[in-house]
Amino acid sequence: QQPVQSPQAVILREGEDAVINCSSSKALYSVHWYRQKHGEAPVFLMILLKGGEQKGHDKISASFNEKKQQSSLYLTASQLSYSGTYFCGTFATGTASKLTFGTGTRLQVTL
Amino acid sequence: GAGVSQSPRYKVAKRGQDVALRCDPISGHVSLFWYQQALGQGPEFLTYFQNEAQLDKSGLPSDRFFAERPEGSVSTLKIQRTQQEDSAVYLCASSLALRGYEQYFGPGTRLTVT
Repeated sequence: QQPVQSPQAVILREGEDAVINCSSSKALYSVHWYRQKHGEAPVFLMILLKGGEQKGHDKISASFNEKKQQSSLYLTASQLSYSGTYFCGTFATGTASKLTFGTGTRLQVTL
Repeated sequence: GAGVSQSPRYKVAKRGQDVALRCDPISGHVSLFWYQQALGQGPEFLTYFQNEAQLDKSGLPSDRFFAERPEGSVSTLKIQRTQQEDSAVYLCASSLALRGYEQYFGPGTRLTVT
């Protein structure tokens, strides 16, 4: 079963913040975050490996709560270039090689 | 350096035809993955190679799908007797290793079966 993301879609004005959540029914080894623009390949954003870990990359950061099997992606001071569909991808504990992508969150940043 | 490349970028096949999709991973990447992405959906895992060994093919939807990576670099995904439900974007990704490393995706091949 694929991870569930929320919200399904969000519209922001440039400069606003957003949080995208990813929830799995399975115990997780790692969470990956990708952004995909229409007609393009998914682009890697970050990977989180351990419970409680938080990472940052420019104005995009993420957290991973291993006990709750949840991850959140934080976008601060959004830019037009942030528009796209965001996917979390999870490796479940014990799963040999299968990265399972979430349901996706469509983000649109406007002027 | 060069990223993951895929060819062709677009393929139109008549139902029943066989197709072959090619993936050139990033040089030195041990792990190679194939995904299928339907319109509006996230990528779905098809198969995984570590070097030339196909270690997981649990996502291949039927025995019409076959993948190989004979020399541990370039990989080919073959679909025999294509059906309309095979229409999708086929993505290839590579990484240095398996679970703890980011996967870099190619631009994909959009397959349309008519």
